[in-house]
Amino acid sequence: QQQVKQSPQSLIVQKGGISIINCAYENTAFDYFPWYQQFPGKGPALLIAIRPDVSEKKEGRFTISFNKSAKQFSLHIMDSQPGDSATYFCAASTGGNQFYFGTGTSLTVIP
Amino acid sequence: DTAVSQTPKYLVTQMGNDKSIKCEQNLGHDTMYWYKQDSKKFLKIMFSYNNKELIINETVPNRFSPKSPDKAHLNLHINSLELGDSAVYFCASRLGQGRNEQFFGPGTRLTVL
Repeated sequence: QQQVKQSPQSLIVQKGGISIINCAYENTAFDYFPWYQQFPGKGPALLIAIRPDVSEKKEGRFTISFNKSAKQFSLHIMDSQPGDSATYFCAASTGGNQFYFGTGTSLTVIP
Repeated sequence: DTAVSQTPKYLVTQMGNDKSIKCEQNLGHDTMYWYKQDSKKFLKIMFSYNNKELIINETVPNRFSPKSPDKAHLNLHINSLELGDSAVYFCASRLGQGRNEQFFGPGTRLTVL
């Protein structure tokens, strides 16, 4: 059973546009929600993370929006650049030991 | 200054062989993990160690045996390799102590022929 559901599977955005990736979960015990960025041939790298006591976190062009009641969270990439083209994973964790990953979104930003 | 390193980066072997992948972190982290990423890029946790003690052991065939000789190292030994074991294996570490940020290694691409 997929603990974290991620959509869309792939996304194509024009340079300068906004990329939005969504994730949903069921387990209300999750208390940490990170997003990872993975380039081909590399390991996932932590991009930004949020805890359920805040509704939004922004770091540069990357923003997480968190809706606790809907059990959903999303990643927004503002002013998307070709260098942002990568696979993005959401994840959820309880206490930082067990991490459950979404199925990934392949983002392509076209010039 | 590599944070989490894995060796080898590529591993090509025949079915039935036994192989090992090594992982080292120089971050002083307490917790280390092994993940498997399949051909569809799905990431699934296999094992987690905290201060050399096994704390997570997902439903993984017992042909896979992790070993943590010390807090900075977590190795993965695989016996009797099967075609379905072909994947990219990632090691990761986390400080623990309330800090949840995970740092991943560069991965080991295992191909079983």
